[in-house]
Amino acid sequence: GDSVTQMEGPVTLSEEAFLTINCTYTATGYPSLFWYVQYPGEGLQLLLKATKADDKGSNKGFEATYRKETTSFHLEKGSVQVSDSAVYFCALGGAGGGNKLTFGTGTQLKVEL
Amino acid sequence: DAGVTQSPTHLIKTRGQQVTLRCSPKSGHDTVSWYQQALGQGPQFIFQYYEEEERQRGNFPDRFSGHQFPNYSSELNVNALLLGDSALYLCASSLGDRDSYEQYFGPGTRLTVT
Repeated sequence: GDSVTQMEGPVTLSEEAFLTINCTYTATGYPSLFWYVQYPGEGLQLLLKATKADDKGSNKGFEATYRKETTSFHLEKGSVQVSDSAVYFCALGGAGGGNKLTFGTGTQLKVEL
Repeated sequence: DAGVTQSPTHLIKTRGQQVTLRCSPKSGHDTVSWYQQALGQGPQFIFQYYEEEERQRGNFPDRFSGHQFPNYSSELNVNALLLGDSALYLCASSLGDRDSYEQYFGPGTRLTVT
């Protein structure tokens, strides 16, 4: 079945450091890929998405490229801020028809001054 | 523009009881999905409703059931509660169930089973 594997956290970085959160997937068909963010006490928010191979999703300085050859969708940001502290979820959708989402276990990011 | 709303915010139930959670989709959306998020885990898909019918279902027992109303709002019912049902229950809405993959999530209902 469909699955998503992302790097375990927590990840602790200093402000302005470079961020990479790894995500790989297994799916049938041609899924869309997503990164969602969950701030403390809040629901999930869509951060970015890519719907086909080689697409790059970007938002708020974050970006991720849909790599079909390596089945990966790694999240990157050049300079993190304290306000980026949250839990980040990689997800795939639409692989078998419909738009249900399959999520990874989440990676907690903590950014310190 | 109202986003996805869920009620109640928190709920405490006893093993064996039944619970009903409610969700109103984002304005203009017609598809509602429910997810269970255990502590420290990613959300797990329970089922999805479109045109008042269950369209897709995840790997959850029949104790989990749902309904969608003509105004697109939805309920999630869980019977014979188990301690393991304690989790954050998330509702997500979208426009359509196939090509419109972008889902908007509500803040969730925190269910505690004692």
